[in-house]
Amino acid sequence: EDQVTQSPEALRLQEGESSSLNCSYTVSGLRGLFWYRQDPGKGPEFLFTLYSAGEEKEKERLKATLTKKESFLHITAPKPEDSATYLCAVQAFGRGSTLGRLYFGRGTQLTVWP
Amino acid sequence: DGGITQSPKYLFRKEGQNVTLSCEQNLNHDAMYWYRQDPGQGLRLIYYSQIVNDFQKGDIAEGYSVSREKKESFPLTVTSAQKNPTAFYLCASSTDRERAQYFGPGTRLLVL
Repeated sequence: EDQVTQSPEALRLQEGESSSLNCSYTVSGLRGLFWYRQDPGKGPEFLFTLYSAGEEKEKERLKATLTKKESFLHITAPKPEDSATYLCAVQAFGRGSTLGRLYFGRGTQLTVWP
Repeated sequence: DGGITQSPKYLFRKEGQNVTLSCEQNLNHDAMYWYRQDPGQGLRLIYYSQIVNDFQKGDIAEGYSVSREKKESFPLTVTSAQKNPTAFYLCASSTDRERAQYFGPGTRLLVL
């Protein structure tokens, strides 16, 4: 069964303290891995798509990387406005109607304090 | 501006009542999805639709129903058979080419 596990569940950082969030996955053929940011009471906001091992994507203080078994979301010199829940999702190669659906992890709740 | 809209933002359901959540997109996306989010849990897929007039059950479809009569619209009905409907409901859409799903702002359903 396909699974996505995110760690840690919660992370508290001081402003400027860099760290990484982990997303490990087990799927039978990765079609894509997706990172989202979700603020309280809001819908998830799309950040990155990664398609193959070795790929990296960057956006401001965020950098996402991908290996064959996991992805990391690196946060460099975070600011309080980076506080949010970060969700990871994977899409597997499938057939027919299953193609396209995402499997989500439970998320990492990041708090950055000044 | 292109995007996904969900309404209402808050919805209150009385016991035994069916309620319908609206989801509209003007992104020209073929696929649309409904998720349920509960505190401490990941997003769980309720129903999804790859094309008009076709949809599939997700992992927790019991007590819910959908329709896809237009490409832009994918309403979700929470029926009286859903015994624990209190949750945050999220609608999303995607294209096969881009693959990422884009989400609406969500509807919070509460039971009176």
